[in-house]
Amino acid sequence: GAVVSQHPSWVICKSGTSVKIECRSLDFQATTMFWYRQFPKQSLMLMATSNEGSKATYEQGVEKDKFLINHASLTLSTLTVTSAHPEDSSFYICSAKVTGGQKNYGYTFGSGTRLTVV
Amino acid sequence: AQSVTQLDSHVSVSEGTPVLLRCNYSSSYSPSLFWYVQHPNKGLQLLLKYTSAATLVKGINGFEAEFKKSETSFHLTKPSAHMSDAAEYFCVVTFYNQGGKLIFGQGTELSVKP
Repeated sequence: GAVVSQHPSWVICKSGTSVKIECRSLDFQATTMFWYRQFPKQSLMLMATSNEGSKATYEQGVEKDKFLINHASLTLSTLTVTSAHPEDSSFYICSAKVTGGQKNYGYTFGSGTRLTVV
Repeated sequence: AQSVTQLDSHVSVSEGTPVLLRCNYSSSYSPSLFWYVQHPNKGLQLLLKYTSAATLVKGINGFEAEFKKSETSFHLTKPSAHMSDAAEYFCVVTFYNQGGKLIFGQGTELSVKP
């Protein structure tokens, strides 16, 4: 089945530094990637939608200069948390839409990244 | 407005007894509906999906769900709970006019007692 590999699975960084999270589609081409944020005991909140080769579309309230998304190829999308602060500590998950021609096979999720900013 | 509501934030059952996790959606459009399971600090795993084919959908690990348009519901059931079923469950919906965006329910935490 379609697999999205997300790295790192966890990261601890100092306040003010930047952290990059990668999501790779291993056996399919991900033209659309979604980035979510999840706080403890809460649901997933969509941060942005990225399409290969174009600028990401951010949800209301998400700072695009803080959460940089790059989707330069059909198999790789990255989320960079710039100048991280403790309030950015969260669980970040990517998801890709799996399509084949005109058919939509659904969505597959990465395993998530636990970010802790100290 | 389009939305999805999981009616229970927490459900507790005994091992071997049935599981019912409730989900309702609100929209005038035809939805695609999914149930995902999430174990602690893990990503989401698809249990099953409804995309306008059969209304009774069978998924992995013995789970199934029935799409009832008249009730705008998509409840998840399993005849007999196993300890390994303890996890967070999300009902998720998308609509053709949403550009592929998923709308997540609030989640239901399932506890299974021995």
